[in-house]
Amino acid sequence: EAGVVQSPRYKIIEKKQPVAFWCNPISGHNTLYWYLQNLGQGPELLIRYENEEAVDDSQLPKDRFSAERLKGVDSTLKIQPAELGDSAVYLCASSLDHGEQYFGPGTRLTVT
Amino acid sequence: QQQVKQSPQSLIVQKGGISIINCAYENTAFDYFPWYQQFPGKGPALLIAIRPDVSEKKEGRFTISFNKSAKQFSLHIMDSQPGDSATYFCAPKGSNQGGKLIFGQGTELSVKP
Repeated sequence: EAGVVQSPRYKIIEKKQPVAFWCNPISGHNTLYWYLQNLGQGPELLIRYENEEAVDDSQLPKDRFSAERLKGVDSTLKIQPAELGDSAVYLCASSLDHGEQYFGPGTRLTVT
Repeated sequence: QQQVKQSPQSLIVQKGGISIINCAYENTAFDYFPWYQQFPGKGPALLIAIRPDVSEKKEGRFTISFNKSAKQFSLHIMDSQPGDSATYFCAPKGSNQGGKLIFGQGTELSVKP
């Protein structure tokens, strides 16, 4: 069975440019998470979806970050405009309800 | 993030030795205590987890010890192997928090041949 799929794996952009990350969760998983992982740190939750509803977005910087999960399957995380401090790994995870979370490989973003 | 403190930050162990990583937490509402393993370029993967109704859980070479009164839990890796070299995170969560994992800062383990 395929795991959590993320694309792109790597992205380099200039500051002030927009960027988007895509996540395809494990089939049947209704809960989807986006985490931010800074270098040398543990992941931090940005947003959690239950089906298509964002039920916890308290840590999402809403002035520049947005996310959507149309139809309750795939999800997209967007940053506009990107800042130097946004350079990090963006991880997507999925689970069945609040069970074990399965993580994708992440997207490594570099903002220059 | 300050709710969870992990130590040591890095650890070097000889092959065959015992690796011990500790995690201290503050939130008494946590009721699930997992350890995640992360290799470079990969996402974290669940290694082993414990519920607070038991004090120890063993799976192969990996053991979790849980001390509820001290609000601490630890990961023990017996007979450490070079393939265990990775970053380990504790990431407790509470059932009233919608599955939100609170990750520690991570421990980079290096097992020397």
